[in-house]
Amino acid sequence: DAKTTQPNSMESNEEEPVHLPCNHSTISGTDYIHWYRQLPSQGPEYVIHGLTSNVNNRMASLAIAEDRKSSTLILHRATLRDAAVYYCILRDVDTGNQFYFGTGTSLTVIP
Amino acid sequence: AAGVIQSPRHLIKEKRETATLKCYPIPRHDTVYWYQQGPGQDPQFLISFYEKMQSDKGSIPDRFSAQQFSDYHSELNMSSLELGDSALYFCASSLPQVNSPLHFGNGTRLTVT
Repeated sequence: DAKTTQPNSMESNEEEPVHLPCNHSTISGTDYIHWYRQLPSQGPEYVIHGLTSNVNNRMASLAIAEDRKSSTLILHRATLRDAAVYYCILRDVDTGNQFYFGTGTSLTVIP
Repeated sequence: AAGVIQSPRHLIKEKRETATLKCYPIPRHDTVYWYQQGPGQDPQFLISFYEKMQSDKGSIPDRFSAQQFSDYHSELNMSSLELGDSALYFCASSLPQVNSPLHFGNGTRLTVT
């Protein structure tokens, strides 16, 4: 499986934008980039996913580098409820229904 | 909207006992995944099912087994429980397409004493 690398932790001030980076230098052409987050004592929650083009939804934006070797999850205005561990995961047709979490980024939002 | 339902929410067992965890996927989701998350750890993929057949296997111990039933609900059976099995167990469901997101339940917290 292609691997992802994320910083262990990040901090952000409330109501400021947050850019969460993910490196995936061995990504294959058919890997989708998924982002999930996990709030304390809850199950992981889907945030966004993309293949090649940047994506926007009500929760966040996903910016994908032109060479696809990195991506950035953008929270436009961080709130205290955004404090969570954020996971960047690659999913490929060849990996079937295996979906592995790596070591995500723990985001702290400062009031 | 309907979500993934897991039961029970909490379970306390003694060493060497057995436990059964249940997962009810979102309607029309035919793919189910099981994860184990120890204290302070990231979720570890155990096993997945598609259309009632085992699809992929991760780091599931031989003492554990799982199946998906005709109504698509799934059960994780755990035998000869060990202290190290104490963890949060999450179930997720999805449509089978690779770009379909996983929807997770709130988990079952298993404590083995």
